[in-house]
Amino acid sequence: DVKVTQSSRYLVKRTGEKVFLECVQDMDHENMFWYRQDPGLGLRLIYFSYDVKMKEKGDIPEGYSVSREKKERFSLILESASTNQTSMYLCASAKENNSPLHFGNGTRLTVT
Amino acid sequence: EDQVTQSPEALRLQEGESSSLNCSYTVSGLRGLFWYRQDPGKGPEFLFTLYSAGEEKEKERLKATLTKKESFLHITAPKPEDSATYLCAVRASSNTGKLIFGQGTTLQVKP
Repeated sequence: DVKVTQSSRYLVKRTGEKVFLECVQDMDHENMFWYRQDPGLGLRLIYFSYDVKMKEKGDIPEGYSVSREKKERFSLILESASTNQTSMYLCASAKENNSPLHFGNGTRLTVT
Repeated sequence: EDQVTQSPEALRLQEGESSSLNCSYTVSGLRGLFWYRQDPGKGPEFLFTLYSAGEEKEKERLKATLTKKESFLHITAPKPEDSATYLCAVRASSNTGKLIFGQGTTLQVKP
């Protein structure tokens, strides 16, 4: 089975802090994704990566950046956390472009 | 613009009462329609992929079907453990790998 592991289930940070969310997959998948999920808005794509050191903006990249230095690891960075970034963050991976996404269990981030 | 709409938003069923969830989509060239199940506090769990109109997939009490404009997730004789939010997503030919999600249908099955 595919395993996508997100480093934290719950995180509380203060406004202005730099926040790192880490995601690791164990299936040698090419593609990795970061989504956020909010009530009434569904899942929205922040960034994705189709190869090491490659990244593409999703639908809502503002206020975020990403890093993919190794194939198995994809990090989401909030440069200066704000309260409107309080959300559930979901990492996913996919073997290739036509494959389904496999999700981690999410990190619930609260910014106060 | 590529779009996915799910209905109803919420559905309450009695155990054993069969029903269907709808996923309507508009995309510029469908490269796959995906169904996921999400339990509270967890990430979405992959259920099915459908690629072309007329295709059907089954898993236990769930059956997914696809037409050129919509997909249905049929739930036959549901049990309380089928209670979850069901998400539909599409991949368009213009999008490299990413999925566009609907808002989901929250299903509650009462014993």
